[in-house]
Amino acid sequence: SQQGEEDPQALSIQEGENATMNCSYKTSINNLQWYRQNSGRGLVHLILIRSNEREKHSGRLRVTLDTSKKSSSLLITASRAADTASYFCAPLGGGANSKLTFGKGITLSVRP
Amino acid sequence: KAGVTQTPRYLIKTRGQQVTLSCSPISGHRSVSWYQQTPGQGLQFLFEYFSETQRNKGNFPGRFSGRQFSNSRSEMNVSTLELGDSALYLCASSLQGGETGDTQYFGPGTRLTVL
Repeated sequence: SQQGEEDPQALSIQEGENATMNCSYKTSINNLQWYRQNSGRGLVHLILIRSNEREKHSGRLRVTLDTSKKSSSLLITASRAADTASYFCAPLGGGANSKLTFGKGITLSVRP
Repeated sequence: KAGVTQTPRYLIKTRGQQVTLSCSPISGHRSVSWYQQTPGQGLQFLFEYFSETQRNKGNFPGRFSGRQFSNSRSEMNVSTLELGDSALYLCASSLQGGETGDTQYFGPGTRLTVL
C-alpha cells in the first residue's frame, strides 16, 4: 500500500479566501480520497476521485487528479471559519490487500 | 441510519495493563478498519477485518490484536500497555473495504491515555 504526502503541512488563510492543498503519491492508484478531521474527532469523507477522472466538484470543494504527476489537489473556495480542520488524502492502489493509508495531513486555519 | 459508534470514548490505564476497545459499524457494513493517531506519527493503519477475518494488517507489534464478530462489530485489544500507546484510536467501517475503495465512515474515536 502507499501513503499520500500532503503539502503544505499547515496553511493559514483569511475567511473568504481560497485554500489549496496538495497530495502526492508514489505508485498507481484506483482512486484517491480526501478526508477532513475536526480537532480530536473522527475523519469525515469529503470526496473520492477515480483514476480515470481528472476533476470533481462537491459544493465548495474541487479536487483534481493528475496521474502522470501522481498528484492531487483539493481546493476549498470561499473558505469559512468552520473549514478549520486537518485534511488528509488517502490514495488507494489495487489488489486484494489494498487499504487506505493516510499521511500526516494538512492543518488548515481559517481566520474570521 | 446510525453512524459508527466506539466505546468507551475515553480511557485511562497504567503501564502493563491491557485494554479492549469496541466498535459498532454502520448497519450493513462488513469491513471494519482500525487506526492509531498520535501527534508524532499521524494516522497509522492497524488492521482491517472483513466477514470476521483479518484481511489486512499494519506494522504494529503483536500486543495489538483484534477480532470481528458475526454482526460485524469489532474489538481491538492492546496488551501490556506502554506509554507510547497513548493515542486516539479510530475505527472506520465501509461496505466492502479493501480494494473496492468505497468510502470509510469513521467513529468519534477512543482517547486512550497510558500513565
